[in-house]
Amino acid sequence: DAMVIQNPRYQVTQFGKPVTLSCSQTLNHNVMYWYQQKSSQAPKLLFHYYDKDFNNEADTPDNFQSRRPNTSFCFLDIRSPGLGDAAMYLCATGAHLGGYTFGSGTRLTVV
Amino acid sequence: AQTVTQSQPEMSVQEAETVTLSCTYDTSESDYYLFWYKQPPSRQMILVIRQEAYKQQNATENRFSVNFQKAAKSFSLKISDSQLGDAAMYFCAYSKYSGTYKYIFGTGTRLKVLA
Repeated sequence: DAMVIQNPRYQVTQFGKPVTLSCSQTLNHNVMYWYQQKSSQAPKLLFHYYDKDFNNEADTPDNFQSRRPNTSFCFLDIRSPGLGDAAMYLCATGAHLGGYTFGSGTRLTVV
Repeated sequence: AQTVTQSQPEMSVQEAETVTLSCTYDTSESDYYLFWYKQPPSRQMILVIRQEAYKQQNATENRFSVNFQKAAKSFSLKISDSQLGDAAMYFCAYSKYSGTYKYIFGTGTRLKVLA
């Protein structure tokens, strides 16, 4: 089945230690999104790619970076994770009329 | 800026009964899309139903239907014949096409289904 896969499902990292979350899709969609979802809060868009074009939200901290080496893969890099970065990170691809396909998410814990 | 508000943090419904989840939004746009997504515990978010703002007819998907009131900027989700599998977090989302579809989500409503 065509889908969006996020690895790992759970990630524990140390305060200040760089961490990378990955997302892959088999839908061949041009657009990929990264959302941050903290407990009891709305998912918040961090950035998105349209093909290779990177689009950062204005309030996304510099601590967050992203790479998209090809259509299928997209990575979220957190350069120096802080306790406030603990959250669920959701990857999604866009589709016609805006219906996203989401991955299962990566829950990041910072210790 | 657009905002989406879900004023019910948690709702409960008896199995086989009907429940309505509320969502209001604020926009100055006339052409946009509205969505309801379901996020079961520890599982991925899936699309429940979608409404195009230019369509007057309310969207329906099996047991799920919406009441879209464009003038009132209201977009509620009705779940009929509730099932245990409907228990999840439900998010309302707004999107307008501007090269891509960036979502603005509400804070969600946790739905509990009682056997």
